[in-house]
Amino acid sequence: KAGVTQTPRYLIKTRGQQVTLSCSPISGHRSVSWYQQTPGQGLQFLFEYFSETQRNKGNFPGRFSGRQFSNSRSEMNVSTLELGDSALYLCASDDPGLAYNEQFFGPGTRLTVL
Amino acid sequence: TQLLEQSPQFLSIQEGENLTVYCNSSSVFSSLQWYRQEPGEGPVLLVTVVTGGEVKKLKRLTFQFGDARKDSSLHITAAQPGDTGLYLCAGARFGNEKLTFGTGTRLTIIP
Repeated sequence: KAGVTQTPRYLIKTRGQQVTLSCSPISGHRSVSWYQQTPGQGLQFLFEYFSETQRNKGNFPGRFSGRQFSNSRSEMNVSTLELGDSALYLCASDDPGLAYNEQFFGPGTRLTVL
Repeated sequence: TQLLEQSPQFLSIQEGENLTVYCNSSSVFSSLQWYRQEPGEGPVLLVTVVTGGEVKKLKRLTFQFGDARKDSSLHITAAQPGDTGLYLCAGARFGNEKLTFGTGTRLTIIP
């Protein structure tokens, strides 16, 4: 099976702009989670989608939003970008056959906000 | 406040040495996972431990879940350069499927 794919891999934006990141989960995986990884804060949970519905949400401002499509692909949007949004954004899907929400991560999108 | 604290934050040792990485919390977890992340890639799941006191071995890696389900350790025997990476623990609390990731230990094995 192909792994989790994320596009684009690298992105440079300026403050105030918005950005959309895309994630395709492993075939058969229906849950997609998004994480933000920074050197200072580590890996922080953004939100999780399952069957096109947001199932869990982390403590991030409303500028961060997401959605999931009927084919389980997911997008994440960040509006009005701030310098502090520079980070590696990771998408993960989980295998419904595993019991403990084990995550299969993509390679991430490196976002730089100037 | 970080729920899962890992120590040490950085560790650099010679090839062939042994090491232990710790993951501690004041909270109880229903299960705990360990991941390794290499530069330019996402974390990769190494193991899941689910029973207090459980010990799992994966070749030269030994994982232990504390009896009280609040802490875990990862022991590597005869470290190799291929073990270099960022090691992350992640816990799921009872009644909450959302994973909380630890602060991470960046391990460098010097050939």
